[in-house]
Amino acid sequence: AQSVTQLGSHVSVSEGALVLLRCNYSSSVPPYLFWYVQYPNQGLQLLLKYTTGATLVKGINGFEAEFKKSETSFHLTKPSAHMSDAAEYFCAVRIRGAQKLVFGQGTRLTINP
Amino acid sequence: SQTIHQWPATLVQPVGSPLSLECTVEGTSNPNLYWYRQAAGRGLQLLFYSVGIGQISSEVPQNLSASRPQDRQFILSSKKLLLSDSGFYLCAWSVRASTDTQYFGPGTRLTVL
Repeated sequence: AQSVTQLGSHVSVSEGALVLLRCNYSSSVPPYLFWYVQYPNQGLQLLLKYTTGATLVKGINGFEAEFKKSETSFHLTKPSAHMSDAAEYFCAVRIRGAQKLVFGQGTRLTINP
Repeated sequence: SQTIHQWPATLVQPVGSPLSLECTVEGTSNPNLYWYRQAAGRGLQLLFYSVGIGQISSEVPQNLSASRPQDRQFILSSKKLLLSDSGFYLCAWSVRASTDTQYFGPGTRLTVL
């Protein structure tokens, strides 16, 4: 069965600093990988996804993630944090052909002025 | 473009009362539909999914049930709520022909007292 581990339930960075949110997955077959963002009391918004092809994926709001098969990782980065990036971020994995999207526990990102 | 609606946005119910949460999708046909629950500190858990009218698959045994009376309508129900049913309920949809991205609704915050 697939699983997702997000290292760090809380991450705090200064405005303008690099954002790095870590995600490692476990899957016996090549997965689809996703990052979602959730603002307070709202649904989840897709940031980016990896399905096939280029392993560096660019998403909305300046975020990007790199699929590293050898490390079973899909870390999310942004070069320069904005105050508006403060939210909870979820990494998720889905086996091709399966209905189930398996989520990590989430990482709450705080931006310090 | 496609949109997904959920209502109510917020609900406070006593233990033992019934529940009905509704989700509708606009701008697409024959979607896959999903119900997730987000409980505090427990990430997101898939409860039910549906690939067509009247077709419901349950992921975990629980006090809840789901129905799909129309192509773009998905309903989550309970006959008698438990305290443990409290949480944030999210509906999602995906294109049936594809098994990758799921798009989420705004959610319903349920508090059982």
